[in-house]
Amino acid sequence: ILNVEQSPQSLHVQEGDSTNFTCSFPSSNFYALHWYRWETAKSPEALFVMTLNGDEKKKGRISATLNTKEGYSYLYIKGSQPEDSATYLCASRGSNDYKLSFGAGTTVTVRA
Amino acid sequence: DVKVTQSSRYLVKRTGEKVFLECVQDMDHENMFWYRQDPGLGLRLIYFSYDVKMKEKGDIPEGYSVSREKKERFSLILESASTNQTSMYLCASSWDGRAFFGQGTRLTVV
Repeated sequence: ILNVEQSPQSLHVQEGDSTNFTCSFPSSNFYALHWYRWETAKSPEALFVMTLNGDEKKKGRISATLNTKEGYSYLYIKGSQPEDSATYLCASRGSNDYKLSFGAGTTVTVRA
Repeated sequence: DVKVTQSSRYLVKRTGEKVFLECVQDMDHENMFWYRQDPGLGLRLIYFSYDVKMKEKGDIPEGYSVSREKKERFSLILESASTNQTSMYLCASSWDGRAFFGQGTRLTVV
């Protein structure tokens, strides 16, 4: 069982503000780190899959960084909009493993 | 687009009933997974399958079994439902590691 932790558990952001939150994971036997967005009443959707130390990925106003040596990833939301309100899940995959181990998620609420 | 379909969005079952949750994917993915999601605990893996008729226990398999007779279908079975199995159940299939999820089944056991 991989111990994946996310913080904070929830946060409230004013529309237009930027925010970020953390995912920490075991750095040994690391293979990949995934970020998913889960909106209410919808299925979780993949945002990023990152494998290399120093990776940075961007999708619109959302970006993520990866540090495999120290075992953490940051997700950034720039200029938050109400449609960014969702639970953001990170998941780590170990080498030679089919499975993803998920964190408990960070729930973001953007207030207009 | 990949589609993963779970048979029910909401289910209410009685304690002791045998419950079947069905999941179908349309992209010929080899790997399929069943998770449950509870507040503050994230997604916990119940079982997964990497091929037809192949299955492996996840982190919390107790009280559950699975069936994968065809590549596109992965069923989760609660042999005798209990109130502590009230939860949101998510099915997923994966290609190249990336998971594609169904819409979830919210099961309430009374």
